Amino acid sequence: DTGVSQDPRHKITKRGQNVTFRCDPISEHNRLYWYRQTLGQGPEFLTYFQNEAQLEKSRLLSDRFSAERPKGSFSTLEIQRTEQGDSAMYLCALETGGAYNEQFFGPGTRLTVL
Amino acid sequence: AQKITQTQPGMFVQEKEAVTLDCTYDTSDPSYGLFWYKQPSSGEMIFLIYQGSYDQQNATEGRYSLNFQKARKSANLVISASQLGDSAMYFCAMREGGYNQGGKLIFGQGTELSVKP
Repeated sequence: DTGVSQDPRHKITKRGQNVTFRCDPISEHNRLYWYRQTLGQGPEFLTYFQNEAQLEKSRLLSDRFSAERPKGSFSTLEIQRTEQGDSAMYLCALETGGAYNEQFFGPGTRLTVL
Repeated sequence: AQKITQTQPGMFVQEKEAVTLDCTYDTSDPSYGLFWYKQPSSGEMIFLIYQGSYDQQNATEGRYSLNFQKARKSANLVISASQLGDSAMYFCAMREGGYNQGGKLIFGQGTELSVKP
């Protein structure tokens, strides 16, 4: 069974503040992905984990962004010193391991930076 | 470099008619997978259909079918018998490498489909 929750669902913050998002799979999945989606665009890849190892990071992931998956289950994405350009939907996805190994997406965290 | 292009920002279709959403891709990897996702206004991403680069037949899934033309590097989504609930954003995406390798999805810009009653 594939399911994933994300917390919080919405976050409003002031420029310069730090924010942290969490992604919780309901069952074990080896690979976990983070994407960012701005209004009217497709999701853009940020980073992914295989178990607790972070295997790839996009150039979009500046020094202000850090992601962890400490026990190979849940994952956190932190943005330090937020900027208005960070306003977006942050999506977590898991590989289903099914027939097509498609990615199943969580509901996302919508970040608004004022 | 891998790239997905969706050239139709918006499309209209009459209820019960068929509609084709265009997608072209670019990759140098001989092994890849193509996906279509639906994103309604509620925001969730819903997987619709998959086509592997070595699949001999076009994928079909209920009212969805994929018109895969490998030489042209196109993977158009066909929705038959459109319903009002089909109104949404549709994204084409590609994953390089084989099934078991996993890997990031590269998405196109999306097409907004509106179904008219």
